[in-house]
Amino acid sequence: EAQVTQNPRYLITVTGKKLTVTCSQNMNHEYMSWYRQDPGLGLRQIYYSMNVEVTDKGDVPEGYKVSRKEKRNFPLILESPSPNQTSLYFCASRYGVMNTEAFFGQGTRLTVV
Amino acid sequence: SQELEQSPQSLIVQEGKNLTINCTSSKTLYGLYWYKQKYGEGLIFLMMLQKGGEEKSHEKITAKLDEKKQQSSLHITASQPSHAGIYLCGADSRGNQFYFGTGTSLTVIP
Repeated sequence: EAQVTQNPRYLITVTGKKLTVTCSQNMNHEYMSWYRQDPGLGLRQIYYSMNVEVTDKGDVPEGYKVSRKEKRNFPLILESPSPNQTSLYFCASRYGVMNTEAFFGQGTRLTVV
Repeated sequence: SQELEQSPQSLIVQEGKNLTINCTSSKTLYGLYWYKQKYGEGLIFLMMLQKGGEEKSHEKITAKLDEKKQQSSLHITASQPSHAGIYLCGADSRGNQFYFGTGTSLTVIP
């Protein structure tokens, strides 16, 4: 089954404790991205990657890191999480940059206390 | 950056009623997508529109693209409780990014 898998689904952590949210897709998609969703602000793109070893900043990259060492994986790293990073995070993948459907993971609800 | 404005922000309708959600872009549209999200869950792809005047339907949901107005509309006929959720429009941009509108929350009262 074609899917994007994020882990964990729920995470509560403390300020400053490094964490990684994993994302994996099994569709051989080249384009992957991370979004955060906040009430009243909608979905905002954090980082995206057009292929292995190619990553670019989205609209809200501060406080986040990503890596794309393999085509199928695109982890999101928070080196020193802060409470303003409490949000619902989504990973997505697409076959290409444009004119293709994006597939989304089920989301990771992160709370930073 | 691309901006997608959706209206209305929220909608409460009686079951069986028709409704329309609009999505207007501040820039040229290269591809317009509609997604549905159940509260707190992942996004489900509904439709993709690429050409001006294009219209697509899926079950009781129809979407149209007006390229000149840089606008798309999503119309639901005879709404049902299963239609409830958040509807999001998304668009490709020239800068390789994919943007979303702020969403429309739909409640259908049985």
